[in-house]
Amino acid sequence: DAGVTQSPTHLIKTRGQQVTLRCSPKSGHDTVSWYQQALGQGPQFIFQYYEEEERQRGNFPDRFSGHQFPNYSSELNVNALLLGDSALYLCASSSGLAFSDTQYFGPGTRLTVL
Amino acid sequence: QQQVKQSPQSLIVQKGGISIINCAYENTAFDYFPWYQQFPGKGPALLIAIRPDVSEKKEGRFTISFNKSAKQFSLHIMDSQPGDSATYFCAASMRGNTGKLIFGQGTTLQVKP
Repeated sequence: DAGVTQSPTHLIKTRGQQVTLRCSPKSGHDTVSWYQQALGQGPQFIFQYYEEEERQRGNFPDRFSGHQFPNYSSELNVNALLLGDSALYLCASSSGLAFSDTQYFGPGTRLTVL
Repeated sequence: QQQVKQSPQSLIVQKGGISIINCAYENTAFDYFPWYQQFPGKGPALLIAIRPDVSEKKEGRFTISFNKSAKQFSLHIMDSQPGDSATYFCAASMRGNTGKLIFGQGTTLQVKP
């Protein structure tokens, strides 16, 4: 049973560029959340998708957007990249919207903005 | 306040010892408190979680102690092993904020052989 998978593993971009990160949830899961983890910090919630809609959003600017596809996979898009966007981007999946559903995290995508 | 404050930032324990990590929160609407373990290059993995209706939960060598009145909770790792060396995060979420986890800053644990 495949867990949460993310691609690519690493990515290097320059300021002002746009980036798309991808996530496939654990088999049987229909809810995907995205987190940003700066070096030495805890993950910060970006947003959550369920039934192809954004259900919950953290304190991130509109430069961060997402999408969920009918097969439950998801994309995170970041426009106009800033140096401060350099971080590990984590995808987590769960089943349904219950607040205590266990979230399973992927290995993350390491984004470096130069 | 939506913060979860975690301490210590780093911890060194001898093999066989007890590792203790503490977290504190302000928002009484928090209703679910998981602990995650993260190894370098990996995503966080759920270790153990507790709801505020119980004061303690134990799973193997891992125990959560919860003090609702003090708004504090802690992770105890008994008989710590070198394989436990990792970064540990406490987190919290609120009923109604479906699946939005608020994480602490993390504790880097090193267990010396």
